[in-house]
Amino acid sequence: DAGVIQSPRHEVTEMGQEVTLRCKPISGHNSLFWYRQTMMRGLELLIYFNNNVPIDDSGMPEDRFSAKMPNASFSTLKIQPSEPRDSAVYFCASGRLAGGRNEQFFGPGTRLTVL
Amino acid sequence: GDSVTQMEGPVTLSEEACLTINCTYTATGYPSLFWYVQYPGEGLQLLLKATKADDKGSNKGFEATYRKETTSFHLEKGSVQVSDSAVYFCALSAKNTGNQFYFGTGTSLTVIP
Repeated sequence: DAGVIQSPRHEVTEMGQEVTLRCKPISGHNSLFWYRQTMMRGLELLIYFNNNVPIDDSGMPEDRFSAKMPNASFSTLKIQPSEPRDSAVYFCASGRLAGGRNEQFFGPGTRLTVL
Repeated sequence: GDSVTQMEGPVTLSEEACLTINCTYTATGYPSLFWYVQYPGEGLQLLLKATKADDKGSNKGFEATYRKETTSFHLEKGSVQVSDSAVYFCALSAKNTGNQFYFGTGTSLTVIP
């Protein structure tokens, strides 16, 4: 089975540019999570979806960040405009709650560098 | 609210030494508990889990027991290898919080030959 797929794996952009990160969750999973990881702040939950509906976006740092999940097999995280402090590794994770099971599977991450 | 506290690192051990990484949790419901491992340059991978009190999760020689009385889920391994060098994250998830995961800050482990 394919795991969580993220693209691009690496992104280098200049301050002020729009950045779009993409995620394809594992087929059959009904929850999707976006995280940001930095040395200073560790792993932070940005937003998560259940059945394509955003449940908690309190971790989204600013209005410059937005996330969508138009269907069960695709999600995007957009930063507009980007700033150097947005440089981090962004992880997407998916999971399925069924029969009391609850696990999260992480993608390989997108390393974003904003110059 | 729900949260996880794990021991701070970094931890450096010699090969074949015993490992314990402490993790305690706070939860209002009945959470499932997890240990994830992150190897350099990779995403987090599920290492083991336990879904109810007294359950023991185990994988790759690692073990952790869900202790409700002490609200703990310590990670242990009897003999570490160089290949175990990674960052380890304790986490919990509960239905009453919408299945959101709460991760600890991570503990970096380096095993030297």
